[in-house]
Amino acid sequence: QVQLQQSGPGLVKPSQTLSVTCAISGDSVSSISAVWNWVRQSPSGGLEYLGRTYYRSSSKWYYEYALSVKGRITISADTSKNQFSLHLNSVTPEDTAVYFCTRGDIYRGVFRGFDFWGQGSLVTVSS
Amino acid sequence: EIVLTQSPVTLSLSPGERATLSCRASQGINAGYIAWYQQKPGQAPRLLIHAASTRATGVPDRFSGSGSGTDFTLTISRLEPEDFAVYFCQQYGNSPMYNFGQGTKLEIK
Repeated sequence: QVQLQQSGPGLVKPSQTLSVTCAISGDSVSSISAVWNWVRQSPSGGLEYLGRTYYRSSSKWYYEYALSVKGRITISADTSKNQFSLHLNSVTPEDTAVYFCTRGDIYRGVFRGFDFWGQGSLVTVSS
Repeated sequence: EIVLTQSPVTLSLSPGERATLSCRASQGINAGYIAWYQQKPGQAPRLLIHAASTRATGVPDRFSGSGSGTDFTLTISRLEPEDFAVYFCQQYGNSPMYNFGQGTKLEIK
């Protein structure tokens, strides 16, 4: 059974960098049949897709980001710790949200949805 | 970017009734690559349906998905008390980004 365990500070000051880490058990961050994603949920309840990382057999890592946060976001993968992380810089109060990590399942090259999720991390941006 | 619009915003029904939730895309979705999720308060979303009509592992058969092109539907044939939650659709067919609809809240009447 795949489990995703999130960690990170709950309070970040404006203009600083928000960082959340997702530790994976039951799968590998370098699996070629998975995509590792970040999603956030605003206080009003909407879900916003932020970006993803994945590894493919060409020995290449891919990092793809939503336009809404491009330029401020970095997703990184750490194979030694089997985890991936979200870094969002220059945060404002509008970045206050619950942040989720999630696995996208790929079967025979076909995406099959986000089947496992972390528990969510409430991050508040405030001075 | 494809925009997904869900309707209604809120749906009030009683246990035992049939629920029909709609998700409309601003342009056609390739290969029906739509997923549906259920979210209860304080929990992460749960995958129900992928590829528009394929139930995820462990999802009861009272949940079904249908549709193609720009119009997709999630149907719950007979509502159980545990089905009252918020439902989101998500597309992954046309854009590198797997964006979501704004959600439909299914509440007890």
